[in-house]
Amino acid sequence: QSVVTQPPSLSAAPGQKVTISCSGTSSNIGNNYVSWYQQLPGTAPKLLIYENNKRPSGIPDRFSGSKSGTSATLVITGVQTGDDADYFCGTWGYSLSTGYVFGTGTKLTVL
Amino acid sequence: EVQLVESGGGLVQPGGSLRLSCGASGFIVSTYWMSWVRQAPGKGLEWVASIRQDGDDSFYVDSVKGRFTVSRDNAKNSLYLQMNSLRVEETAVYYCARVYCIGGNCYFDYWGQGSLVTVSS
Repeated sequence: QSVVTQPPSLSAAPGQKVTISCSGTSSNIGNNYVSWYQQLPGTAPKLLIYENNKRPSGIPDRFSGSKSGTSATLVITGVQTGDDADYFCGTWGYSLSTGYVFGTGTKLTVL
Repeated sequence: EVQLVESGGGLVQPGGSLRLSCGASGFIVSTYWMSWVRQAPGKGLEWVASIRQDGDDSFYVDSVKGRFTVSRDNAKNSLYLQMNSLRVEETAVYYCARVYCIGGNCYFDYWGQGSLVTVSS
């Protein structure tokens, strides 16, 4: 089981602001950058945020990320029905050899 | 366009072996770390293994050490995962992912569509 925890589920109405938390330890989030991945139903994960708060090309600015200490946060402003998906945070351990740790995942339902 | 395409999944009995392949295109494979990530049905993501650009170094999640082997053939733009002594609980979709590293920070920037491995008698 992952040592990086997220709320299992959240729900929101279209247009609302959603905040997804990601809580780790000094062995992972506390000493590394955090990435976020979006997994739409039946598809592969997609990179959403990297280096705590940067968006890859093509990701709308409705998605933003931040990190403080051993926790990270993904914020979706003006959530849309197309954002209905699973969201995973992730980070490396002390080094690449320690391995990558994904958060437990959050299922976002847009009502 | 970066593309990763997995193949080789299927049904295997507990204790059996399977070899997954991942064909890469749209980028110079030899310049990137590559990884395998799996997802059991209805569950979260789990990092499985990563391999260095030259193939001379690799890392594994503890649960697969000694049973899984990640390898690559840069001339063929391909990544592999040899899985031995498979367990029922390792039934999952296995994803191939490119690892992008900059300034000491690495993340998975491209993913394949996944290959389903079912371990069952």
